[in-house]
Amino acid sequence: DAGITQSPRYKITETGRQVTLMCHQTWSHSYMFWYRQDLGHGLRLIYYSAAADITDKGEVPDGYVVSRSKTENFPLTLESATRSQTSVYFCASSDTLSNQPQHFGDGTRLSIL
Amino acid sequence: AQSVAQPEDQVNVAEGNPLTVKCTYSVSGNPYLFWYVQYPNRGLQFLLKYITGDNLVKGSYGFEAEFNKSQTSFHLKKPSALVSDSALYFCAVREQGGYGQNFVFGPGTRLSVLP
Repeated sequence: DAGITQSPRYKITETGRQVTLMCHQTWSHSYMFWYRQDLGHGLRLIYYSAAADITDKGEVPDGYVVSRSKTENFPLTLESATRSQTSVYFCASSDTLSNQPQHFGDGTRLSIL
Repeated sequence: AQSVAQPEDQVNVAEGNPLTVKCTYSVSGNPYLFWYVQYPNRGLQFLLKYITGDNLVKGSYGFEAEFNKSQTSFHLKKPSALVSDSALYFCAVREQGGYGQNFVFGPGTRLSVLP
């Protein structure tokens, strides 16, 4: 089925470790996004991508790295995880038309001990 | 700069009663406005959007929203609430003609429908 899939759904890791969250979409949407959701902060944009090999920073990019070698995949890497990065991470995608909604995956709940 | 406010953290309503979840926004130009719903352990699901035209837009699950340009509001409504409507609701705005596809989301309003 068409959609947007995030993996893993749950992840526990330790401070200082590298962790990669995966996002795959089957719509061939040009735009993809990574958000984090925290109590009291709502949804905050980490990075987004307008197309393959084009990425840009969002509101809270520090400590994160993204890549987009293929249109359908947009992995998010925490190079050296910190406790403050414990959060729920959502990937989203949208069409190029600016009046179109973003479509979200079901999230990855990441706990950093 | 774009911003969205949802003035109520929590809205409680009895099943069968009408519900309203409020949203106000701020953009430099004209807005695109969206409502999303989030159920536990799920991502945000798109409910409806305002682009242009009729100020009353209808969406999924019997929800509708009214765009009011003078009050810069986009309140979500439903004539008769269901217990299954209990969830977290987010309003989002994007400025027409703005760069990229970035949305600004409100902080969310938790709706509880009591049986």
